[in-house]
Amino acid sequence: DIVMTQSPDSLAVSLGERATLNCKSSQSILYSSNNKNSLAWYQQKPGQPPRLLIFWASTRESGVPARFSGSGSGTDFTLTINNMQAEDVALYYCQQYYSSPYTFGQGTKLEIK
Amino acid sequence: QVKLQESGPGLVRPSQTLSLTCTVSGGPINTRSFYWTWIRQPAGKRLEWIGRFFSDGGTIYNPSLKSRVTISVDTAKNQFSLELTSVTAADTAVYYCAGGVGYVHNWYDPWGQGILVTVSS
Repeated sequence: DIVMTQSPDSLAVSLGERATLNCKSSQSILYSSNNKNSLAWYQQKPGQPPRLLIFWASTRESGVPARFSGSGSGTDFTLTINNMQAEDVALYYCQQYYSSPYTFGQGTKLEIK
Repeated sequence: QVKLQESGPGLVRPSQTLSLTCTVSGGPINTRSFYWTWIRQPAGKRLEWIGRFFSDGGTIYNPSLKSRVTISVDTAKNQFSLELTSVTAADTAVYYCAGGVGYVHNWYDPWGQGILVTVSS
């Protein structure tokens, strides 16, 4: 199985500042058929299901604010949240869909400083 | 807009079978747009992919659960189901049904609200 490791486990960012969340896969998840990385990011708030933010590592889902952006390739990926807002407080998970079984990171808890 | 809703018992006895149903609304279940998927989340732990069903009849399961899992679809009721046999306390989790998007390999949207299943005597 591909192991997904996120860092840090928790992060506190001031309102209006930038949050940088990292995700590392145990092997490359670059899909050769389209030269895209098979990585998704989700946001989860207490008592709610995960919400899809990003797929193909950098494609923002419809309706997701532009302050959320994804980057990276191969095994190292980043979710950047610019201009941190109070409503961004949540757990964030990365997921690889390069190969089954599809696996998730352990999550990064984002809080306000 | 496709929406999903899980249903089933919230308490299952050890060694028994966990059975959950996901009702799909807003679109037909026999579509090639989604891979119908079950994912679970034990308290304080990462999400775990259980398996999926596609309209061509194909199912794939997580090897860690494969011997105990069955995912099936009832087209007439627009529902898909999860059965997990011989449960233990380790199977206590919030169980989500989700629509897998993408060709062959999936990210997930939409998700059901989730249902907490506790395995306890």
